[in-house]
Amino acid sequence: QQPVQSPQAVILREGEDAVINCSSSKALYSVHWYRQKHGEAPVFLMILLKGGEQKGHDKISASFNEKKQQSSLYLTASQLSYSGTYFCGTVGGSQGNLIFGKGTKLSVKP
Amino acid sequence: NAGVMQNPRHLVRRRGQEARLRCSPMKGHSHVYWYRQLPEEGLKFMVYLQKENIIDESGMPKERFSAEFPKEGPSILRIQQVVRGDSAAYFCASSPIREGSGNTIYFGEGSWLTVV
Repeated sequence: QQPVQSPQAVILREGEDAVINCSSSKALYSVHWYRQKHGEAPVFLMILLKGGEQKGHDKISASFNEKKQQSSLYLTASQLSYSGTYFCGTVGGSQGNLIFGKGTKLSVKP
Repeated sequence: NAGVMQNPRHLVRRRGQEARLRCSPMKGHSHVYWYRQLPEEGLKFMVYLQKENIIDESGMPKERFSAEFPKEGPSILRIQQVVRGDSAAYFCASSPIREGSGNTIYFGEGSWLTVV
């Protein structure tokens, strides 16, 4: 079942923060975050496994609350290079397939 | 290290023709996945293959679409008798082990199919 992402789109000024949410109606085994720029391939950002872990690199981090079946991606002090569409992908079990949400379009303006 | 290689990058076909998209996984990866992305939409899972086996084709349309991953050579997604609605970007991804076991997948650059 496809995860639901919110918001659908967000516009930021450089330096502002953003949160992108991903929720599922089914129990989740893992959550994967990707960023895709127009006309390019999705690029892997990070994976979170069940256990309520939090991860991050540079100014992008994410959390995974398996009880709530939700994950959030946090972008701090956004840069122009953060612009793109962010997808969360969820796996419902150890042998499940990666199912993606519809994406959140992030635009960072100077 | 070569990434996931897809070709052709762009393909134009007339209605009724066949389209063949090829994907070579990353070195050391034996699992291949195909996704379709319609304009301004998300990535829709189509099929998951290992060498010589289709593991899950639950996302494949029942007609005209087929996929294979032979013992030698790339994985191929084949679309017969293409229609305008097949116009989309087709992404291949690979992983060393199955994605659900906590391992992620890495995407190729995609093949953009346009049906005229």
